[in-house]
Amino acid sequence: AQRVTQPEKLLSVFKGAPVELKCNYSYSGSPELFWYVQYSRQRLQLLLRHISRESIKGFTADLNKGETSFHLKKPFAQEEDSAMYYCALMNSGGYQKVTFGTGTKLQVIP
Amino acid sequence: KAGVTQTPRYLIKTRGQQVTLSCSPISGHRSVSWYQQTPGQGLQFLFEYFSETQRNKGNFPGRFSGRQFSNSRSEMNVSTLELGDSALYLCASSFGRGEKLFFGSGTQLSVL
Repeated sequence: AQRVTQPEKLLSVFKGAPVELKCNYSYSGSPELFWYVQYSRQRLQLLLRHISRESIKGFTADLNKGETSFHLKKPFAQEEDSAMYYCALMNSGGYQKVTFGTGTKLQVIP
Repeated sequence: KAGVTQTPRYLIKTRGQQVTLSCSPISGHRSVSWYQQTPGQGLQFLFEYFSETQRNKGNFPGRFSGRQFSNSRSEMNVSTLELGDSALYLCASSFGRGEKLFFGSGTQLSVL
């Protein structure tokens, strides 16, 4: 069974401070991992995916297979980063199934 | 390009009734998946359709069903509603397997 754990429901940081949103997963195969974000009154949208190895809005995430983690990081938090962040895992089998974590609310304090 | 459209936006039903939710994916997207979002459980996968075939199903009772039409539009049906079915139901579409999901605004279902 595939499982995604986001241990923090709420993370509060000051503007300019580093951010790390934790995500751990459980999956027997090779997972595809994503971070989705939901800003206030907006739809859930993709932030980044591990296979792209890109930085979006200053955020990066590295897949650590040894620790089964996919933590989201940003060196300097901005107020506009305040949102709900969901880590998601897609199975590598033939049929698409996406499992989401319970989400972490990031609050950036001015 | 129009985004994923879900109708209706809000629904109020009573226990025992049934409900049908609709989702129109982005033009060209053939995969449609459904999720239930609640404050306690977060986003939970219901099922996924591709080219009118259900390819995957989450751990929900048989009261939850769905279908996809030839134009990729999808409907989700919940029969014999229970209070615990109150949730935001999200639909997402994607071009194909492994592609990113585009979400609709959701249908907020309240069961009284």
